[in-house]
Amino acid sequence: DVVMTQSPLSLPVTLGQPASISCRSSQSLVYSDGNTYLNWFHQRPGQSPRRLIYKVSNRDSGVPDRFSGSGSGTDFTLQISRVEAEDVGVYYCMQGTHWLWTFGQGTKVEIK
Amino acid sequence: QVQLVESGGGLVKPGGSLRLSCAASGFSFSNYYMTWIRQAPGKGLEWISYISGSSSDTNYADSVKGRFTISRDNAKNSLYLQMNSLRVEDTAVYYCATPSRQPGYWGQGTLVTVSS
Repeated sequence: DVVMTQSPLSLPVTLGQPASISCRSSQSLVYSDGNTYLNWFHQRPGQSPRRLIYKVSNRDSGVPDRFSGSGSGTDFTLQISRVEAEDVGVYYCMQGTHWLWTFGQGTKVEIK
Repeated sequence: QVQLVESGGGLVKPGGSLRLSCAASGFSFSNYYMTWIRQAPGKGLEWISYISGSSSDTNYADSVKGRFTISRDNAKNSLYLQMNSLRVEDTAVYYCATPSRQPGYWGQGTLVTVSS
């Protein structure tokens, strides 16, 4: 199985400051159709995960533009340009290229 | 709008069975792969299974292969997960989600607790 490794696992942030989460895969995530199925999700306690970014850098409808995704191959990053209070929770990267699709361990974002 | 509503969770003894359902609306259900994903209490997310729109393509995680069966009824816009030989480690919230490789739509989840 493809292992997704996130860092850091805990991220205390100051409101208004930027934040960055790294996600590395044990294999290239480029699929045979040319797409890279790397997604980012945000989950608040007691809620279902919400997709923020799909195929590395495509922001979902309704997701604030302070969120951005980048990367290629095996190395990916989620960036928040200015953290707001509503951004707390756990962030997961997920690969949909190789079955068994897999998630990272999660990064818990909290306000300092 | 797209809506996915899971049901069927509950408390079951080890070795028991349970059938989860996911009612879908707001999209052309038969055209989409559907998936089940679970999350143990306080833990991360784990893929369980997927099924194609025609049911011709299915796959399972090794952790549930041979014990769980995914199915769908396109006439009823419903997805199912038959869970047999349940183990304590199957305790989790079970989500249905779509589309398969980049799930943008999730249900609210249904809690399955396996305990004696």
